[in-house]
Amino acid sequence: DTAVSQTPKYLVTQMGNDKSIKCEQNLGHDTMYWYKQDSKKFLKIMFSYNNKELIINETVPNRFSPKSPDKAHLNLHINSLELGDSAVYFCASSQQRDGYTFGSGTRLTVV
Amino acid sequence: GENVEQHPSTLSVQEGDSAVIKCTYSDSASNYFPWYKQELGKRPQLIIDIRSNVGEKKDQRIAVTLNKTAKHFSLHITETQPEDSAVYFCAASNYGQNFVFGPGTRLSVLP
Repeated sequence: DTAVSQTPKYLVTQMGNDKSIKCEQNLGHDTMYWYKQDSKKFLKIMFSYNNKELIINETVPNRFSPKSPDKAHLNLHINSLELGDSAVYFCASSQQRDGYTFGSGTRLTVV
Repeated sequence: GENVEQHPSTLSVQEGDSAVIKCTYSDSASNYFPWYKQELGKRPQLIIDIRSNVGEKKDQRIAVTLNKTAKHFSLHITETQPEDSAVYFCAASNYGQNFVFGPGTRLSVLP
């Protein structure tokens, strides 16, 4: 019974395409996140979202947009993909004052 | 904003020896400090955490210490085993929201 699930696990696509990654959590957490992990393993926050507020890391290009149809879902949509977008993208969720639960990650490769 | 530094970036120890990873943070308002372990190709998983009202916490072979005055905290692993080999991330946050992660430490336990 997966707590935070992401799909797809792997995504290979050409430059210029638009793609989405889906995330769902069944933990009843209030806040969900998207993190990018680059080739050096550095975890960098992209977005955090709860039912009241979306916080965007100002360094994230506006080609990236989160979409949350409800409290249990936070999808990531990426327009006009670039080579530098290749990375592993992790979704996570948390309840205030507790640690994150991460999804299994989506390895995005832009060719 | 918060800035978290982590040292060393790589660490090799002999099986059975102890390993220590140190992190410093900049925001004195941070009050929650989790540690995550990420095995190759897998998601980061919470292994231990500490809150600002506690100076030390232990869970079997893993312990974490916190010095709020100096703004640093450390992970201690005793009697290391090959399965401890992974990348370890520290993080700092205010009430469990919007973690800022350290750059990670790659621990190798040599048989």
